Amino acid sequence: DTAVSQTPKYLVTQMGNDKSIKCEQNLGHDTMYWYKQDSKKFLKIMFSYNNKELIINETVPNRFSPKSPDKAHLNLHINSLELGDSAVYFCASGRVEQKLFFGSGTQLSVL
Amino acid sequence: TQLLEQSPQFLSIQEGENLTVYCNSSSVFSSLQWYRQEPGEGPVLLVTVVTGGEVKKLKRLTFQFGDARKDSSLHITAAQPGDTGLYLCAQKSGYALNFGKGTSLLVTP
Repeated sequence: DTAVSQTPKYLVTQMGNDKSIKCEQNLGHDTMYWYKQDSKKFLKIMFSYNNKELIINETVPNRFSPKSPDKAHLNLHINSLELGDSAVYFCASGRVEQKLFFGSGTQLSVL
Repeated sequence: TQLLEQSPQFLSIQEGENLTVYCNSSSVFSSLQWYRQEPGEGPVLLVTVVTGGEVKKLKRLTFQFGDARKDSSLHITAAQPGDTGLYLCAQKSGYALNFGKGTSLLVTP
């Protein structure tokens, strides 16, 4: 009965590969997010979707493409992975002006 | 995007000690949220402060919102090892939630 679940928990891959991270929420929220947490623990917003529409797209390389098939899912696809993409990626959901619920993160290591 | 400054960046204390961490901005907050992130997990909301001068308590944690709504503090009384984690302040602006860089707290027995 996890509220926000993302898979996989760990992802180790080679440079140049393409990978996806999946996220699902069962809270009935309209808005979902992807955040990136770097090695210094800074948590930075990447994307936000509201009712399946992209509403926030921070300065993220276009190798990163979010996809929201429905309001409960927001997946993140990353093409041509680079060393600098190594980080922990968090999915979150919430309602406008209210708190966010976060998944437990996907630790991506690019070798 | 409003810049949130948190201090100190790191804090290592013994069990039973008191501590205060800070979150500041040059601009006025409409409201402020505090989250705690434990290792291997996502952040979890502790409290939201909205009104200038507001004080909220959550067991041994006391949150204060500055009168001018440009700063906030979190005070922990008699810290315990279970308080170890990353404490983040965040400001919600429309759909976006923007975080400070956090205070990493280690409480040793």
